[in-house]
Amino acid sequence: GAVVSQHPSRVICKSGTSVKIECRSLDFQATTMFWYRQFPKQSLMLMATSNEGSKATYEQGVEKDKFLINHASLTLSTLTVTSAHPEDSSFYICSARDPTESSGNTIYFGEGSWLTVV
Amino acid sequence: RKEVEQDPGPFNVPEGATVAFNCTYSNSASQSFFWYRQDCRKEPKLLMSVYSSGNEDGRFTAQLNRASQYISLLIRDSKLSDSATYLCVVGSQAGTALIFGKGTTLSVSS
Repeated sequence: GAVVSQHPSRVICKSGTSVKIECRSLDFQATTMFWYRQFPKQSLMLMATSNEGSKATYEQGVEKDKFLINHASLTLSTLTVTSAHPEDSSFYICSARDPTESSGNTIYFGEGSWLTVV
Repeated sequence: RKEVEQDPGPFNVPEGATVAFNCTYSNSASQSFFWYRQDCRKEPKLLMSVYSSGNEDGRFTAQLNRASQYISLLIRDSKLSDSATYLCVVGSQAGTALIFGKGTTLSVSS
């Protein structure tokens, strides 16, 4: 079963509104989660690294005031797309590592969220 | 130069064919390497990790050449169900985010 759950899987919103996407680690506590965005026929692009209890680290070119990330607990990170525009329509996906795994290399992905802004 | 580069394809092959995908990465400090599979409109799923000694899992063989910063995936006896996009993925160190290639699309036909 899934170890990282993402919700909602699909959302349609009106331009100018805000949308919140949740990412939960189900079987482990994730101090770090990662948020990616994927446009059609493009690669997954890292948007930001979400750190529990501290500010997220954003990749170059990603507006932190537009894509608000909150990682208030060890099992939940949220991404809020504020004042969404049609060009924000994309596949958003989160991932997390289980820090208890010795290799530290196993990444678990959420199911992804399809955002359509109309 | 992009961090992880792949030939996007598509690769169109008949069932039973052998197909190979290649990938290059730019960061010589990269420490972990993977192939992920992504089906249309789904999240990526780990296919296999890639080790310097090379590794095989059934019909899939992955190889890493650190000197050339090159990774490969070989699929033997292709099945219809192998049709997907294959993502070359590189990590710099444990605990950091993975960097994804654009993916190579494979279409296997009967």
